[in-house]
Amino acid sequence: EPEVTQTPSHQVTQMGQEVILRCVPISNHLYFYWYRQILGQKVEFLVSFYNNEISEKSEIFDDQFSVERPDGSNFTLKIRSTKLEDSAMYFCASLWTGFVGELFFGEGSRLTVL
Amino acid sequence: KQEVTQIPAALSVPEGENLVLNCSFTDSAIYNLQWFRQDPGKGLTSLLLIQSSQREQTSGRLNASLDKSSGRSTLYIAASQPGDSATYLCAVRADMNYGGSQGNLIFGKGTKLSVKP
Repeated sequence: EPEVTQTPSHQVTQMGQEVILRCVPISNHLYFYWYRQILGQKVEFLVSFYNNEISEKSEIFDDQFSVERPDGSNFTLKIRSTKLEDSAMYFCASLWTGFVGELFFGEGSRLTVL
Repeated sequence: KQEVTQIPAALSVPEGENLVLNCSFTDSAIYNLQWFRQDPGKGLTSLLLIQSSQREQTSGRLNASLDKSSGRSTLYIAASQPGDSATYLCAVRADMNYGGSQGNLIFGKGTKLSVKP
């Protein structure tokens, strides 16, 4: 069964360092997303990406964050200068088309900022 | 602003019991509602998707209902098993015709289910 894959599963970094989280969405999907979940809190939307550009972003997704689809398969989230409060589980998700609407999530990348 | 609430926050039941998890949302202008399962430290597994025009969806022992006008959904689990122990998340997607976007889900905090053998 097709699935969304994410790497790394866990990354530990020092405050101020740059981090890149990688995702391979389901191959025929057109819409891509990043969500995050701080421990014990709700899953929160960060950004959506369609047709090689950001279609929507939340207030959380400030200038420290960026997304890229460098080739036909990968979708990345970069955090330029990590802060302690960036520690969370980051989920990538993909969607075939908005009119069907079922979002498929990856297993997540746990980011720990020390 | 859409808010999603799930009650109860935690539930413990003996194996074999039928149970209902509740989800409520404040804005009825939704496109669809999705139920997920999350195991500790793991990703989100999609269980059921209900479009706004539908009243319910079934998959195996799971049945989800949607009452859009009252802002409620329930997830019914029949004959619960220890393997059903997990956190169940409800998420709604706003209708694009009312300012919603493609795939921007608003999540509840979840109900943590424990099924005792």
